[in-house]
Amino acid sequence: NAGVTQTPKFRVLKTGQSMTLLCAQDMNHEYMYWYRQDPGMGLRLIHYSVGEGTTAKGEVPDGYNVSRLKKQNFLLGLESAAPSQTSVYFCASKPGVRNQPQHFGDGTRLSIL
Amino acid sequence: AQKVTQAQTEISVVEKEDVTLDCVYETRDTTYYLFWYKQPPSGELVFLIRRNSFDEQNEISGRYSWNFQKSTSSFNFTITASQVVDSAVYFCALSEAFTGGGNKLTFGTGTQLKVEL
Repeated sequence: NAGVTQTPKFRVLKTGQSMTLLCAQDMNHEYMYWYRQDPGMGLRLIHYSVGEGTTAKGEVPDGYNVSRLKKQNFLLGLESAAPSQTSVYFCASKPGVRNQPQHFGDGTRLSIL
Repeated sequence: AQKVTQAQTEISVVEKEDVTLDCVYETRDTTYYLFWYKQPPSGELVFLIRRNSFDEQNEISGRYSWNFQKSTSSFNFTITASQVVDSAVYFCALSEAFTGGGNKLTFGTGTQLKVEL
């Protein structure tokens, strides 16, 4: 009963390093999302995907790239990490039916030094 | 643009007190969806409820109840007889109804609820 799985759970990077966060869902959901959560700011949408091979920008996309090569996976990339990208990152997925809720992973805590 | 306001940053209550978390939203859409999520200290986000804009019936689930008032653009959440396990951050969120837009969620900044013995 995995649901939405995020890898890794914690990571510390140095400024300028790159990394990829992996999100995998086993519910056959069409839509997937990446959010970041910062103190006092709630969750903000970075990028999202409405289907395999498609991606779109959210509210705060700068400094991030995404890919959805397979329906079950949604990757978030940081090409050159900056301290401002220190945050908790959440992945979510939902069916392509408009009134269904998003299901969230447990989050990835990322620190950029 | 859509906006969700949770004006209460932090609320502290004593166990068994009732508490109401406020949520006010802004949208130009005539059809939309409202959600509440709970984030306990362990950090995961737990879905609590969904409300459609065309359904203004209030809902009760155990100690939880939700009051949706379209006239005031509010979707408030009440916990009756609060318990320590209710301590968490609660988020209100608004979703567009247009499926082609990805049903993106706009979150409020959250209300930290602390329930003490």
